Amino acid sequence: EAGVAQSPRYKIIEKRQSVAFWCNPISGHATLYWYQQILGQGPKLLIQFQNNGVVDDSQLPKDRFSAERLKGVDSTLKIQPAKLEDSAVYLCASSVSAYGYTFGSGTRLTVV
Amino acid sequence: DQQVKQNSPSLSVQEGRISILNCDYTNSMFDYFLWYKKYPAEGPTFLISISSIKDKNEDGRFTVFLNKSAKHLSLHIVPSQPGDSAVYFCAASPIQGAQKLVFGQGTRLTINP
Repeated sequence: EAGVAQSPRYKIIEKRQSVAFWCNPISGHATLYWYQQILGQGPKLLIQFQNNGVVDDSQLPKDRFSAERLKGVDSTLKIQPAKLEDSAVYLCASSVSAYGYTFGSGTRLTVV
Repeated sequence: DQQVKQNSPSLSVQEGRISILNCDYTNSMFDYFLWYKKYPAEGPTFLISISSIKDKNEDGRFTVFLNKSAKHLSLHIVPSQPGDSAVYFCAASPIQGAQKLVFGQGTRLTINP
């Protein structure tokens, strides 16, 4: 079974620019998550989708972050405008209802 | 508000010995606990889990112990192997399944030959 695909792997942008990340979950996985992992910290949930509906976005900074999941499959996470503190690894994960997640390799964002 | 804490940022263990990684949590609503392993430039991979109705779960060289009264869990790896060198994250969820996970800060384990 193919894993969770994420792109790009790395991105460097200047502050106040915009950036978008893409995620393709494992086929058939209804639940998709975006996590932010700042260096030295554990992953923190930004948003959870069930099919194409949002289940939890309580920790998503909605003034600058947005996410969508088209047709309940692929998902994009956007930051506009980026701040220095957004430098992190952005992890996408998907799951079926029974067990733990399968994570993608992540996108490392550096804001300069 | 750090609900899941891994107080040791790093741990160094000799090959063949036991590695013990610790995790504490504060939220009594957590009912399911997981350990993830992460290599550089890769996403975390699921290692082992335990439900709150158990106090021990074993899978090969990996054993997780849960002490609910102390709100503490630990991961034991024995014997430790060089390939076990990675960052280990403890995570907790209020229910088993596809739910929000709260992660600890991680512990970097280094196995020395």
